[in-house]
Amino acid sequence: QKEVEQNSGPLSVPEGAIASLNCTYSDQGSQSFFWYRQYSGKSPELIMFIYSNGDKEDGRFTAQLNKASQYVSLLIRDSQPSDSATYLCAVKSSASKIIFGSGTRLSIRP
Amino acid sequence: EPEVTQTPSHQVTQMGQEVILRCVPISNHLYFYWYRQILGQKVEFLVSFYNNEISEKSEIFDDQFSVERPDGSNFTLKIRSTKLEDSAMYFCASNRVEKLFFGSGTQLSVL
Repeated sequence: QKEVEQNSGPLSVPEGAIASLNCTYSDQGSQSFFWYRQYSGKSPELIMFIYSNGDKEDGRFTAQLNKASQYVSLLIRDSQPSDSATYLCAVKSSASKIIFGSGTRLSIRP
Repeated sequence: EPEVTQTPSHQVTQMGQEVILRCVPISNHLYFYWYRQILGQKVEFLVSFYNNEISEKSEIFDDQFSVERPDGSNFTLKIRSTKLEDSAMYFCASNRVEKLFFGSGTQLSVL
């Protein structure tokens, strides 16, 4: 059974600080990795994706991938109250299947 | 910006009834998906659809479920005989390459 694991949280971070979200996956053959944000009652929206080992930056967001450790992370710099949401890690486990972790609830306190 | 459209936004049905959830994927996308999310739980993969046939399906997607692309734009999920445990938010999604775009969902309540 291919799994994507995340700490459920809540993770509480002060405004302006760095939020660090982590994810592990079980399928060593996975090639593509995604971070989605989901506000309560809304659909997931893509923040960023990463294929290669190392870091990928997009504005205040940095995704990090370590395939040897089967570990993906998301850093959010200068956290804002609007970043308060559930962050979903997702993994493309085959050509037509993307599976999601259960999400980490992030709360940014003013 | 193009978006995935789902109707209805809410559907209430009696146990044992059939429901059809409708989706219009983004027009140049090739893969179409249905996911569901039970309240407070993870987004679960149900089925993917490519080139007018099911590409993959999960163990949740049993004989009670079916998908169809009846014309060039719509993509539907049918649940033949609904159970209480089918109550969930159902998301349609589509992609061309890697980026998966979700619709706003249909909240299905089975009474």
